[in-house]
Formats: sequence, C-alpha cells, structure tokens
Amino acid sequence: TQLLEQSPQFLSIQEGENLTVYCNSSSVFSSLQWYRQEPGEGPVLLVTVVTGGEVKKLKRLTFQFGDARKDSSLHITAAQPGDTGLYLCAGTGGATNKLIFGTGTLLAVQP
Amino acid sequence: DTEVTQTPKHLVMGMTNKKSLKCEQHMGHRAMYWYKQKAKKPPELMFVYSYEKLSINESVPSRFSPECPNSSLLNLHLHALQPEDSALYLCASGHQQPQHFGDGTRLSIL
Repeated sequence: TQLLEQSPQFLSIQEGENLTVYCNSSSVFSSLQWYRQEPGEGPVLLVTVVTGGEVKKLKRLTFQFGDARKDSSLHITAAQPGDTGLYLCAGTGGATNKLIFGTGTLLAVQP
Repeated sequence: DTEVTQTPKHLVMGMTNKKSLKCEQHMGHRAMYWYKQKAKKPPELMFVYSYEKLSINESVPSRFSPECPNSSLLNLHLHALQPEDSALYLCASGHQQPQHFGDGTRLSIL
C-alpha cells in the first residue's frame, strides 16, 4: 500500500515567517501534486511535479520533488494570512495509477 | 470561481431519506470522481468514472450509488445513510487525474 506522510501535521506561525512542509513515502511516484484547501471550499491544485529533482516556483511557494521521486517539499517564504489552509500532497503511481493523498498539513498564519 | 459545480452546498437528511448529490463540469474532462472528506483529513476516494463508465469503486457501501448520465454530469444517490456518513462530499474532474475539485456538499445525517 502506498502511503504519503506529511509533516508537520499542524503549524501555526506569525505573518512574515518562512516554513517548509514535507511529504514522504517509501514508494516511488510518477508524479506528485500539491493542493491547498481553504475552509468551506474544495482543494485547489497548486502544482504538479513529474521529474526527480524538479523545482517549481509559484510566487512565494517553492515546490521540490525528490531525486528518487519518493518525497517532496513545499517551502513558503514570508507567509501571509491568506496562506492559511490545509495543504495536501498527492502522488500518482503504482499498478492502479490512482491518486493517493497525503495525511495533510493544517497551516494557520496569524496576522 | 470553481469550474466544477456541486449542488446542494449543504444537505441535512434523516437515516430513512433518499437524496441525490449533483456535480457538473464543462471542461471536457473524461474522468470524474467522488471523494468523501472528514474534517481536517485528506479526501478519500469513493468512485471514479472514466468515459462515463464506472472504473473504480473503493468498496463503498451500497447505500451510496453513483450515476454518470453524460460526460458533464455525475450524481451520487444516497439512501439509508448512517450518522458516520456525515462528511464533505467532493466531486472532481480531470483528464487522467483529479485536476479541479468542486466546493463540495456538506452532508449531515440526523
């Protein structure tokens, strides 16, 4: 069974701080996605990474896919209250090619 | 604005009621999905439709019955639900993987 563990599970920081969220697995994924979900809404796709070692930037967000395609990280620079939400990584791979969601990281950015 | 539209946004029903959740997308996506999500937890896959055919059923109890009338619509028929079925039900669509999620239907079972 493919599992994606995210850490930390919860994170509460002050506006302006930097943070990193990790997404780890013992399985190899052909691609990995990051979503952000705000209260009362569905997840919104932020990025898809497909190549080992790939780095993608989306404004203050930097996403990295591990060289072995088993892990990923999301780094946020100068966090803002609007970054508050549930961050989910999700990987695709294996015989079924199903999307497997990570355990989630709940981020709260205090003004 | 979400490109996947779900109705209703909220639903309260008794355990003997029959109701349906609806999902609509006009992006030409051939795969549509139903997920169940408990508070502060990741979504759990329930069903996948590919080209209007049910391709994945994640051992979901028969009190949940999906239907795909056409390539743009996806329904989830509910009957004799249990209190533990209370959750946010999310619909998603994509070409091969879920790319766009709706805002969900918040379901409460009394």
